[in-house]
Amino acid sequence: DTGVSQDPRHKITKRGQNVTFRCDPISEHNRLYWYRQTLGQGPEFLTYFQNEAQLEKSRLLSDRFSAERPKGSFSTLEIQRTEQGDSAMYLCASSLQAYGYTFGSGTRLTVV
Amino acid sequence: AQKVTQAQTEISVVEKEDVTLDCVYETRDTTYYLFWYKQPPSGELVFLIRRNSFDEQNEISGRYSWNFQKSTSSFNFTITASQVVDSAVYFCALSTQGGSEKLVFGKGTKLTVNP
Repeated sequence: DTGVSQDPRHKITKRGQNVTFRCDPISEHNRLYWYRQTLGQGPEFLTYFQNEAQLEKSRLLSDRFSAERPKGSFSTLEIQRTEQGDSAMYLCASSLQAYGYTFGSGTRLTVV
Repeated sequence: AQKVTQAQTEISVVEKEDVTLDCVYETRDTTYYLFWYKQPPSGELVFLIRRNSFDEQNEISGRYSWNFQKSTSSFNFTITASQVVDSAVYFCALSTQGGSEKLVFGKGTKLTVNP
């Protein structure tokens, strides 16, 4: 078990471009979360999946953001028409029910 | 609504000093979980401890100890005999039972341990 993997580790994109991030959770974990962390702040919840169902979305997740978890395995987070305010670390975490999260190393997005 | 406050933004100590990181939480739920995470410069969040609201027993793990007091809604973290490798940002977090059990994080405390 290699833990939670996120790809890419870093992404630099021009404003207005679309970006997609991938998260591979721990294989037996049925819950998957996305968080966003801006400089000097704690992570903030974006969305949550139980198996393939997206059960909760934060108000932070604007219409430009979409997340999927096909077949309840890996997940993708897409940001359309990126803005400079989207620059942040995007963290993925997985858990088996409520028994402790494991976080990935994150994808750092820089929008220029 | 849930809220976590870490009033100390930055702390700087000299190696071997003891240091306590404060965490105050707010929730109306009677069942909840409290966490501490460490975030070194490399960026990953490292799990340190999880406590549930029914267990107020203090915990010690090596140089780390945690003091949970429901009466003051606090869950403080003490590092004894700090080391340079303890330098990191430390986050306190809260989740409540039922639903997504998402974590609500504080803003973190940056600890610098100087040699």
